[in-house]
This record gives sequence, C-alpha cells and structure tokens, in this order.
Amino acid sequence: DGGITQSPKYLFRKEGQNVTLSCEQNLNHDAMYWYRQDPGQGLRLIYYSQIVNDFQKGDIAEGYSVSREKKESFPLTVTSAQKNPTAFYLCASSILGNYGYTFGSGTRLTVV
Amino acid sequence: GESVGLHLPTLSVQEGDNSIINCAYSNSASDYFIWYKQESGKGPQFIIDIRSNMDKRQGQRVTVLLNKTVKHLSLQIAATQPGDSAVYFCAESPGANNLFFGTGTRLTVIP
Repeated sequence: DGGITQSPKYLFRKEGQNVTLSCEQNLNHDAMYWYRQDPGQGLRLIYYSQIVNDFQKGDIAEGYSVSREKKESFPLTVTSAQKNPTAFYLCASSILGNYGYTFGSGTRLTVV
Repeated sequence: GESVGLHLPTLSVQEGDNSIINCAYSNSASDYFIWYKQESGKGPQFIIDIRSNMDKRQGQRVTVLLNKTVKHLSLQIAATQPGDSAVYFCAESPGANNLFFGTGTRLTVIP
C-alpha cells in the first residue's frame, strides 16, 4: 500500500540534544512538508520541499533543519536552538499543483 | 499569512443528528478547499475537497458547500456517528502547493 510513514511515534529529547524525525513516502509525490502542531492549535509550516536537493523555510523554521537527498525521504532535525520543541510533528506529501496533502501519523516529541 | 478561521471552536451533536462545521476564508484568490478530519494522536485525514468552480460537492455522508460571495465554506455530516468525533480542519489554497489551515473545530458526538 502506498503511504507516508513517520517514525518514531514518540520521541524524548534531553535539553541540548539534536534529534531527527523520519518521514518516508512511497506515493511518488514530489512535494513534502513538515508541520508543527501544539495542543488546541492549528498546523504551522516548518519547512517544505518541492524537489530533491531543494527546500524552503516555512513560517517557523528557526531551530529546525531538513534535507531532501531522496524523493522519498524528508527528515527533520530539531536542534538545540529550538527552545520549545515539545509538540506533535506532522509530515505530509503531495503531487505538484493545486492538490491536497497526504499526512503521516505524526511524531510526538517531548523534552525531558 | 492567510487567514482561515472557524466560527466555532467546539461543536456537540446528538448521535444521528446532522452536523454542520463552518469555515471562513479571507483570500478571494483561493480556488481549492479541503476538509480534513484529525482524531486524537493521529495525522489529519482527507475527507472531501472542492474547487472554486463548484458550489457543492457530496461524498459519503458528507457534503461541502462553498459560498464564494461571502468566502464561506461548510462541512455537513449526515447522521453523525460516535466515530465522527474528532477535530475538523478546513484548508484553502490559492495555488502553487500552498495550503493554509484553520485552527480546527472539535466535534463531539453525544451517544
């Protein structure tokens, strides 16, 4: 079955550590996205990529980094510079053009 | 950024009744709209979409209505079931792979 997979489902980070969240899709989608969701709030765009080896900052990119070395993969690194990283992180993908996104099941990151 | 908002943050309905979730959008250039359903601890799931050349689109138990004159979008769920309890997001797109999401409405179905 085609889909988009995020791992791990739960992640705990110590203060000062970098952590990387995985996102893989086998939908042959060109575009991929990372969103952050805080309790009771909507989705805020962190980074997006429309083509391999290229990505753009979203509304809240500070403290995050991404790479897009393969079409299928768009990992997100939450760096120690992100002061409030505890949140639910969602990855999505889409074909190019004016179409909806397919979302993964999310990763819940907690700083301990 | 875009302004996509919802009139009510919460909605409670009796099982079997119809639900209507509303959404206002501000960008008159938006020509594609989507409704997503998000259950607790999961990613949003696509429910139904509509393009600006349509006023109404029906799916299984769901209908989306688009009023471009007042920039309003609604999602109607017929015969609401307990499994419909979730947060519902509308999203609008003016094109170029840009989707802008509202904050969501939490629907609670009362048995």
